Amino acid sequence: QVQLTESGPGLVHPSETLSLTCTVSGFSLTGYSVYWVRQPSGKGLEWMGRMRYNGDTSYNSALKSRLSISRDTSKNQVFLKMNSLQTDDTGTYYCTREGPQWRVMDAWGQGASVTVSS
Amino acid sequence: DIVLTQSPVLAVSLGQRATISCRASQSVSISSINLMHWYQQKPGQQPKLLIYRASNLASGIPARFSGSGSGTDFTLTIDPVQADDIAAYYCQQSRESHTFGAGTKLELK
Repeated sequence: QVQLTESGPGLVHPSETLSLTCTVSGFSLTGYSVYWVRQPSGKGLEWMGRMRYNGDTSYNSALKSRLSISRDTSKNQVFLKMNSLQTDDTGTYYCTREGPQWRVMDAWGQGASVTVSS
Repeated sequence: DIVLTQSPVLAVSLGQRATISCRASQSVSISSINLMHWYQQKPGQQPKLLIYRASNLASGIPARFSGSGSGTDFTLTIDPVQADDIAAYYCQQSRESHTFGAGTKLELK
């Protein structure tokens, strides 16, 4: 059964760095790519970036200067780090799997809620 | 960036057909493959894949959901609408990077 679970701090102070972990099960990170998608409170979805199955990364150009995605395949984990957080970074952060169909997000985690506040 | 435009709200009666549209600012097709996908999101839940590549039903999704379209104009149809279908629906393109529409909230008349 494919599962993705996000974890991380619920509260981050302005200008600090957000660190989130996506722990996966039911598939291998060397066989499937994992994406990060976020949703500001009450708003729509924004693709943030991708960890490819081969270790390559790609980022949303609007976030690229603040964002880093990495992984530990031995722990089945993908990591997101984003610096210089501001209040409009508040929202829910999801990790998703790119399924067998190219560039299709076929499974989503339940999301990690992040509030940026002093 | 490819911008996807959706109507914000669609009101429908139970048992009727709902047609949700999504228009892209440029073609999202590559060699006849339409890289447009649809997701359903209920309040407090994560999005769920409904339709991939414009017209392919994702695993476990009821047949009352269908998708169509090509190039820049795409449609998600729900027929007949059931109470459990009241949710927000997002289109998403993967032709160039990934972008989502702002979502259409399906409401009951």
